[in-house]
Amino acid sequence: GAVVSQHPSRVICKSGTSVKIECRSLDFQATTMFWYRQFPKQSLMLMATSNEGSKATYEQGVEKDKFLINHASLTLSTLTVTSAHPEDSSFYICSAGWTGTSSRPSYNEQFFGPGTRLTVL
Amino acid sequence: QKEVEQNSGPLSVPEGAIASLNCTYSDRGSQSFFWYRQYSGKSPELIMSIYSNGDKEDGRFTAQLNKASQYVSLLIRDSQPSDSATYLCAVNTPGFGANNLFFGTGTRLTVIP
Repeated sequence: GAVVSQHPSRVICKSGTSVKIECRSLDFQATTMFWYRQFPKQSLMLMATSNEGSKATYEQGVEKDKFLINHASLTLSTLTVTSAHPEDSSFYICSAGWTGTSSRPSYNEQFFGPGTRLTVL
Repeated sequence: QKEVEQNSGPLSVPEGAIASLNCTYSDRGSQSFFWYRQYSGKSPELIMSIYSNGDKEDGRFTAQLNKASQYVSLLIRDSQPSDSATYLCAVNTPGFGANNLFFGTGTRLTVIP
């Protein structure tokens, strides 16, 4: 249980295009979904937190108009990188959290998707 | 900003030894603690969660929590080369969201065959 999928796993695009990344919790309903970015040999950086049906909360320094997050259901969140530029090339990882009462996933654990490697030429 | 600190390493241990990874956190109100393993080029994978003081064992992994001293550690017994990865400590503090985690920068572990 507690499986999170992410699609696509890898994308290469030209500068100026938009890229959409999907994150799905496959076997549980995610109360909250998170989007992280990780540059090579650096630590995870939280970009934004989203709850189903409400606007995402962005971390300081993350442009909300550039990184559009839609959390349409308890199992799906999308991140759209608009007008991507080479400096946006990174490893984007989503995670899903759950705060229910059953034994798995346990309260307030986060489970990560496999990540999307974005390369902007 | 809630701080979670880890020694970045690298920590090298011989195969079969015990690897000890440490993490300290700044907010005394933190209540949930997690260890994630991240292989190079992959996303983090949850390997342990601990909520109460003391030890929690799962296979070769033991998490230790000491809230009074504000540290959490992970012991890996009988270390294997496949344990070579970066280990991330994460902390949840009430008031910052039920699922929100503050991550340390990770400790890179190398197990030498």
